Amino acid sequence: QSVLTQPPSASGTPGQRVTISCSGSSSNIGRKTVSWYQQLPGTAPKLLIYTNNQRPPGVPDRFSGSKSGTSASLAISGLQSEDEADYYCAAWDDSLNGRVFGGGTKLTVL
Amino acid sequence: EVQLVESGGGLVQPGGSLRLSCAASGFTFSSYGLTWVRQAPGKGLDWVSGISTSGNNKYYADSVKGRFTISRDNSKNTLYLQMNSLRAEDTAIYYCAVLYYDSSGYVWGQGTMVTVSS
Repeated sequence: QSVLTQPPSASGTPGQRVTISCSGSSSNIGRKTVSWYQQLPGTAPKLLIYTNNQRPPGVPDRFSGSKSGTSASLAISGLQSEDEADYYCAAWDDSLNGRVFGGGTKLTVL
Repeated sequence: EVQLVESGGGLVQPGGSLRLSCAASGFTFSSYGLTWVRQAPGKGLDWVSGISTSGNNKYYADSVKGRFTISRDNSKNTLYLQMNSLRAEDTAIYYCAVLYYDSSGYVWGQGTMVTVSS
């Protein structure tokens, strides 16, 4: 059972906008920043969003992040077939004194 | 370009030890926190351990506390993970990652596989 809760799956058709949620608590998302990672099959995770809503160089602006209270969201607009991957949220947890990850969301592009 | 290359993985018997290394390049190694994250086959990401820039502060997941030791050599741009008393449930790909973006976002290596089995 992961400290951060994500839906196990999500889906959309090409061109659609999809949102993936990440629910935490006051000891993690409520007081710390959130990052999001994309993991394509058989590859290492790749940073998509840091500090709640910042994109590193090279990440398309189709990807956006937001945070409110103890929850965060990743939105992907203009969905493409190459977006089919697993997505993970993460944050530092002050109670556990460690980084915590969501269980991951498998995104399927129909 | 930030590069992290893990090594040292392999097959080890339950109760055995293994030392992972992560060679870094493309950034000022001593200025960034580092971490190990693992992923069991078919499972999600599982944070293992983290270390501060100087190496003075170390953090561990409860599942590895007392068995794993994280360390770094800033003169060699290398991160280590000493793993003792290994268990079957430690079987995973172990990723090295640098907290490169604003103490919030990790850049990852390609990972090294650790298999604990008799």
